[in-house]
Amino acid sequence: TQLLEQSPQFLSIQEGENLTVYCNSSSVFSSLQWYRQEPGEGPVLLVTVVTGGEVKKLKRLTFQFGDARKDSSLHITAAQPGDTGLYLCAGDTQGGSEKLVFGKGMKLTVNP
Amino acid sequence: DTGVSQNPRHKITKRGQNVTFRCDPISEHNRLYWYRQTLGQGPEFLTYFQNEAQLEKSRLLSDRFSAERPKGSFSTLEIQRTEQGDSAMYLCASGNYEQYFGPGTRLTVT
Repeated sequence: TQLLEQSPQFLSIQEGENLTVYCNSSSVFSSLQWYRQEPGEGPVLLVTVVTGGEVKKLKRLTFQFGDARKDSSLHITAAQPGDTGLYLCAGDTQGGSEKLVFGKGMKLTVNP
Repeated sequence: DTGVSQNPRHKITKRGQNVTFRCDPISEHNRLYWYRQTLGQGPEFLTYFQNEAQLEKSRLLSDRFSAERPKGSFSTLEIQRTEQGDSAMYLCASGNYEQYFGPGTRLTVT
């Protein structure tokens, strides 16, 4: 059972474009993390959101946690080739940093 | 702090052989996690430790798999009698709240 659905699964855009990736579930999460992963490497933590409705910004990346804590979005402004990678959302259903449930990821390619 | 490290980074083995992977977590982290990731999928939880105690194991962790964290520091994951379906990236993470991942060990079973 895939608890977290990410969309789109693939995206290829030109440098300078904006994009939004969505992470949806029918489950409530105590926290939700976004990671970025490059081929052959482990995921790198970008952000953790905890409070429903919370918005966090990391340079050109804006993360939002849904009011009901069931969904999240990641918006990238003016994408750059260095943003290329696999973006994964992961939810903690039990609280207290126990096992994370991951989506399949969104593979982003930013062309120069 | 050098982050989470994993060894080896790559392992090729023949079906039926045993393999062991090592994870060295960030030193101040009490929790250590193992995940498995196959092509086109996100990581899937295998097991986690709080200090030296193994607190949860996934149903994915068949009896051919065993994990240890003997002194609450590094951890090992052993797979006995490997099968081709075991081919995957094995990821280790550590943390006290958020989880920080190592670079992974890529296992190929031929």
